[in-house]
Amino acid sequence: SQTIHQWPATLVQPVGSPLSLECTVEGTSNPNLYWYRQAAGRGLQLLFYSVGIGQISSEVPQNLSASRPQDRQFILSSKKLLLSDSGFYLCAWATGVYNEQFFGPGTRLTVL
Amino acid sequence: QKEVEQNSGPLSVPEGAIASLNCTYSDRGSQSFFWYRQYSGKSPELIMFIYSNGDKEDGRFTAQLNKASQYVSLLIRDSQPSDSATYLCAVNGRAGTALIFGKGTTLSVSS
Repeated sequence: SQTIHQWPATLVQPVGSPLSLECTVEGTSNPNLYWYRQAAGRGLQLLFYSVGIGQISSEVPQNLSASRPQDRQFILSSKKLLLSDSGFYLCAWATGVYNEQFFGPGTRLTVL
Repeated sequence: QKEVEQNSGPLSVPEGAIASLNCTYSDRGSQSFFWYRQYSGKSPELIMFIYSNGDKEDGRFTAQLNKASQYVSLLIRDSQPSDSATYLCAVNGRAGTALIFGKGTTLSVSS
């Protein structure tokens, strides 16, 4: 069966510090991978998605970036965090024809 | 701007009742529709999805789709306190690779 991992589970970072969040999927090949952010009181915002190694599409211009160095690994990064980057970061994968997406446990980021 | 609208709630129902959650979407070209359940502090969990007009049943859950009215609903029969959560409606977006989510409806089931 498929499993998706995210780490760390929680993170507290100062403004201006760098960020690296990692997501890995097990038990499937060639998944579509997604990064979402859920801010307090707001809906799920798609940040990036990837249909293959090295292929990244950005949905929202901002100070975040994403990379997919391996088939089942997706990394979210920032060089300098902003207060507005605080939120619940969710990685998801999909392989079905209807694009049903399955979420990882998430990383709760607080920027102070 | 493609949108998915949900009543934020809270929707309160007694234990054993039917909970009805509704969702409308703006993109008439949308093809597949999803319901997720999200407990407080946790990540969303896929409950079911539907892509054809009509009803789709899975246990106590029934999804209903009306493409002409651009309307999706989720019925939860015999509601339990453990069903208390936020329910997210999602619609497939551009090129079938991105989902657009509503902000969710909070359901509270009282015992």
